[in-house]
Amino acid sequence: DVKVTQSSRYLVKRTGEKVFLECVQDMDHENMFWYRQDPGLGLRLIYFSYDVKMKEKGDIPEGYSVSREKKERFSLILESASTNQTSMYLCASSRLAGLYEQYFGPGTRLTVT
Amino acid sequence: GESVGLHLPTLSVQEGDNSIINCAYSNSASDYFIWYKQESGKGPQFIIDIRSNMDKRQGQRVTVLLNKTVKHLSLQIAATQPGDSAVYFCAEKSMDNFNKFYFGSGTKLNVKP
Repeated sequence: DVKVTQSSRYLVKRTGEKVFLECVQDMDHENMFWYRQDPGLGLRLIYFSYDVKMKEKGDIPEGYSVSREKKERFSLILESASTNQTSMYLCASSRLAGLYEQYFGPGTRLTVT
Repeated sequence: GESVGLHLPTLSVQEGDNSIINCAYSNSASDYFIWYKQESGKGPQFIIDIRSNMDKRQGQRVTVLLNKTVKHLSLQIAATQPGDSAVYFCAEKSMDNFNKFYFGSGTKLNVKP
């Protein structure tokens, strides 16, 4: 059974804090993704990675960075959390190329106060 | 960029009836589409996919129809059950941007017992 796990289901942080969101997949997938999900806006891609130490900006990378030191782990970093980063964060993984679905984790609901 | 949208934000159906959820996409180069189901508090779950060389694909109680002429995708759920209550959204991918999916904002399906 394929699995994508995220380190926290709920997180509350203060403005200005550095925040780490961790994602681990056990499917040996090359691609990993970070999205945020906000009501009425759908999933928006923040960053993705197609290999260890490789990363590509998505549609809304501002205020975020990522780290992929191991194939199975992809971290999202909020350098200085702001209230407009309050959102649901979803991690996903997929095979490298071709027409393959993305498998999602359960999400982390982050609140920045 | 691409845009993927849904016509109806909320759909209420009676248990046992059939449900139809619609999605419009704008990128005629998109060649792979997925429907996801997202239950409250969970990450999106793959339901069914379809490639652009097909116009219909059936799964267990679900059917996806693709009309490339009008760039329209629909998900049909037969004999809708209370467990089908969730948010459904479509996603598209194009071969010229092979790593990135674009997601619709979702339709909430309410199944009344």
